[in-house]
Amino acid sequence: DQQVKQNSPSLSVQEGRISILNCDYTNSMFDYFLWYKKYPAEGPTFLISISSIKDKNEDGRFTVFLNKSAKHLSLHIVPSQPGDSAVYFCAASARIGLRGSQGNLIFGKGTKLSVKP
Amino acid sequence: KAGVTQTPRYLIKTRGQQVTLSCSPISGHRSVSWYQQTPGQGLQFLFEYFSETQRNKGNFPGRFSGRQFSNSRSEMNVSTLELGDSALYLCASSWSSGSPSYNEQFFGPGTRLTVL
Repeated sequence: DQQVKQNSPSLSVQEGRISILNCDYTNSMFDYFLWYKKYPAEGPTFLISISSIKDKNEDGRFTVFLNKSAKHLSLHIVPSQPGDSAVYFCAASARIGLRGSQGNLIFGKGTKLSVKP
Repeated sequence: KAGVTQTPRYLIKTRGQQVTLSCSPISGHRSVSWYQQTPGQGLQFLFEYFSETQRNKGNFPGRFSGRQFSNSRSEMNVSTLELGDSALYLCASSWSSGSPSYNEQFFGPGTRLTVL
């Protein structure tokens, strides 16, 4: 049973336009969310994160939106560049216990973004 | 500052053999997590070690095991290899898993294991 779902295996956008990558989750205990980018033959690299107490976090061209009621988050890349072409993973974690440590990351299966010049 | 290193980068084994993969975390990082990446299942958490102790474990059979040394380096072992174990095995390190900001794990390039 997938707790973190990325329903679009691939996405193609034109350079300069907006890329929107979506992620849905089922576990209401998740309170921290991250996006990773992965190039072929490399490990994933951290992109941006958001805590459940926020609904938006922005870092340069990257913005993550969190809709807790819908259990949905999205990553917006504006403007998209050819170098953004990669696989993007959404990940989530939940705190273990009331004052427990952050649990480990549960990943989605990824969305392959292709940005065409 | 050196990143996370994993050795070997590529490995070919046959069914029934065992394999040991190695991971050296970023200097100062005490938490090491292992993940399996396959096309069908994406990234799946195997286990996490912190200060030489396994702190969390995913839903993998007992054939998958690991350990962490006093210098935080970690090894992962898979015994009695099966064809389905063919995957990219990723190691990630972080300061600790005790705070949300520390969940920004840094990944190594992975070890590509092929089981024939």
